Formats: sequence, structure tokens, C-alpha cells
Amino acid sequence: EIVLTQSPGTLSLSPGERATLSCRASHGITSNYLAWYQQKPGQAPRLLIHGASSRATDIPDRFSGSGSGTDFTLTISRLEPEDFAVYYCQQYGSSLWTFGQGTKVEVK
Amino acid sequence: QVQLAESGGGLVAPGGSLRLSCAASGFAFNDYYMTWIRQSPGKGLEWISHISPSGSTLYSADFVKGRFTTSRDNAKNSLYLQMTSLRAEDTAVFYCGRGGRGFSYGQIDYWGQGVLVTVSS
Repeated sequence: EIVLTQSPGTLSLSPGERATLSCRASHGITSNYLAWYQQKPGQAPRLLIHGASSRATDIPDRFSGSGSGTDFTLTISRLEPEDFAVYYCQQYGSSLWTFGQGTKVEVK
Repeated sequence: QVQLAESGGGLVAPGGSLRLSCAASGFAFNDYYMTWIRQSPGKGLEWISHISPSGSTLYSADFVKGRFTTSRDNAKNSLYLQMTSLRAEDTAVFYCGRGGRGFSYGQIDYWGQGVLVTVSS
């Protein structure tokens, strides 16, 4: 099983600031099959990024993904009020999919 | 538009069984991988299983093997999760999700609203 470790656990930032979230895998992820999701309280997760760097449909371009192998990053270039949420990474490069434990982006 | 609607949740006693359903609409159900994900109260997302478009290939997390069974009925555009020997730690919101098709099928681009399963006496 590939274990995903996200850091930091909580990120305290102000609107307009840049957010950088990390996801590190215990083993290399095949074909960079890594996705990022956003989840707000009481809602289902929403797909932001797949294939490490491809934005999903209707996702604003302030969201970007990068990385390969075992180290991946989600960047939000300028935080909007609606971006404060919990973010999860997920790998689907192995038969057994796994999620990271999440990073909460909160208002400073 | 793509819609996924889970049903079948509720309160069940420890050791009991429950069958969740996920009704899909708005897309060619038999072309897509489908998946179950759960989220315990206040916790993160946990992958349970995913099943191929034909239903011939199924992968499940180690923690559910022997207790949870995933299946699908393409004629009814439905996904199922049969759960047995339920434990208190299985209490969670259960989501069904649509995966992809072809070689890259693990990104979950649509999610249901989730259904709560509470295991308690």
C-alpha cells in the first residue's frame, strides 16, 4: 500500500496569499496518477487536479498541481474566500488507492 | 447532468448488516469505474473499493475484505456495497464516486452527497 503524507496539517493564511500544500508518497506513483480534492464542511469532495497537474473541468487556474515520483504539490496562487477548506491528495497508480490525511487551509 | 445518489444508510447494531445503493444517471454508467469512499466523523477520506465497468475486476481495501462486498448492476445503473459484521469504527459517511475510463480511471470526478451509517447499540 502506498502511504501518502500531507503537510502541513494546517495552513493559516490570509485571502490573496499563496498556498503551497505538499503530498509525499511512500513509493513512487505510477504515471503520476495523483489527484487533489477540495472538501468544505458538510459537502462531498470536489476534484481539482488529476494526473498530478491537469486541472479538472471548471477549476479556476489559480489552482495548479506539480510534482512527480514521490513528491507532489498543490498551489493556490491567490487565495479567494471560497478556497478555505480541507484538501486531500489521492493516488490511483496502484490497485489499492489511498488518500492523504488532509491539509486544512484556514483564515489567518 | 451526472448525478449519483446513495441510499440505504442508517442505524445498525454492532455485528449487523447493511446494503448501500448508489443510483447513477446522466452518463453511460457501463463505461466507467465506480468507487466507494468513506469518511468517519471528523476524519479524512478512506478508499473502500473500486469496480471495473463490466464488474469483472474489483479491488478492495484490506480493512474491509471478508466483510464488505462491492457489486454493480449496469442494467439498473446502480452500484452496491453490502456490509456485514459491522463495527462501531465503521460509522461514517459513505460516498459513491465515478472514476474514469480507459487507462487513467482513478480520479473521482463526481461524488454522491453521501449517506450516513451509524453502528451503535
